[in-house]
Amino acid sequence: DTEVTQTPKHLVMGMTNKKSLKCEQHMGHRAMYWYKQKAKKPPELMFVYSYEKLSINESVPSRFSPECPNSSLLNLHLHALQPEDSALYLCASSQEGDREQFFGPGTRLTVL
Amino acid sequence: AQRVTQPEKLLSVFKGAPVELKCNYSYSGSPELFWYVQYSRQRLQLLLRHISRESIKGFTADLNKGETSFHLKKPFAQEEDSAMYYCRSGTYKYIFGTGTRLKVLA
Repeated sequence: DTEVTQTPKHLVMGMTNKKSLKCEQHMGHRAMYWYKQKAKKPPELMFVYSYEKLSINESVPSRFSPECPNSSLLNLHLHALQPEDSALYLCASSQEGDREQFFGPGTRLTVL
Repeated sequence: AQRVTQPEKLLSVFKGAPVELKCNYSYSGSPELFWYVQYSRQRLQLLLRHISRESIKGFTADLNKGETSFHLKKPFAQEEDSAMYYCRSGTYKYIFGTGTRLKVLA
């Protein structure tokens, strides 16, 4: 399996909801990433996990909570989001120490 | 501050014409640069990385440390090259340029 998968593809949630985004890879990569991409903008790095430990948090609001339960899975827990958080959320993975990232298809999130 | 600059938001060329997508970087240390492509409704995928010096889908990119550039080139554009192209740094910040939309006209 040489792909990064993300579920769900689309998510609509209210500002009081709690939801989670899921990312999975079976390429043996030990680095995993969350990005946020607004329309017509480049991806912006949110979090980096290395060997299941959070190594970079790009000053992301606490309403976004990442979790890496094992080396193949990466979750992003969402709570009390704002409409401006609506975006495409991308997951990526890479070999540790390698800057080449493999991206998932993204979850398109709409916050009402 | 580390920066990756793609000066053109949109580049339109005719099929068969040469293409050059510009990327300039500004940070110290050894640069490690990548080109990613995003076709319509598809995931972001790696096109080139400077250390491999490969040619993918006819595209090449050379790192020019003197000009701090990593421009993407193709001698003859094809309609299927129409996509969004991002230059990305390989530092720990993983910074993407603002992207250039390439439109290849028939």
